[in-house]
Amino acid sequence: DAKTTQPPSMDCAEGRAANLPCNHSTISGNEYVYWYRQIHSQGPQYIIHGLKNNETNEMASLIITEDRKSSTLILPHATLRDTAVYYCIVRGGAGNMLTFGGGTRLMVKP
Amino acid sequence: EAGVAQSPRYKIIEKRQSVAFWCNPISGHATLYWYQQILGQGPKLLIQFQNNGVVDDSQLPKDRFSAERLKGVDSTLKIQPAKLEDSAVYLCASSLDPQVKFNEQFFGPGTRLTVL
Repeated sequence: DAKTTQPPSMDCAEGRAANLPCNHSTISGNEYVYWYRQIHSQGPQYIIHGLKNNETNEMASLIITEDRKSSTLILPHATLRDTAVYYCIVRGGAGNMLTFGGGTRLMVKP
Repeated sequence: EAGVAQSPRYKIIEKRQSVAFWCNPISGHATLYWYQQILGQGPKLLIQFQNNGVVDDSQLPKDRFSAERLKGVDSTLKIQPAKLEDSAVYLCASSLDPQVKFNEQFFGPGTRLTVL
């Protein structure tokens, strides 16, 4: 699976959009981009995934560049409860394995 | 729907002692995973079961770690003997069917192990 690069930390004001970037320049054609988040003292939680089209669900939006070498997770109106570590993962192939990197620690501030 | 259950939530032991963790996955989930998460790092997969068979245990330190999933439901992860570097959160996750292209993993709350 391709490697991802994320900033170690970001801050966001409550009520504003949080835009979390992820670089995955070695992604191959059949690999998906997944986002999970981990709130303190909890297990990771699935947020969203995509292949090449932009995706939106009740939690977030995922914007993938046309060349698929990078993506951005958007939390449209961040709340204090969105404070967590966000993991961008590229996965393809059999087995459904998730390889977690260091993630981005998002701090939402009042 | 009940989530993935793990117990105990916390465990403190001395080095060279043994310890066991238990996981009950979501009902009907064929695949079960154990991850180790060291403080400040992302989770690392230790072992993956498909029903009661091992799919991948390439990152499991087999000299001291063992895991089983009898009857394809509950699972236990054991460490014997424990070392200081085993201090971590042990996460259990489950998913429906790995042959499905997208297959969300559901994680339990984890067991925090401290080895003194």
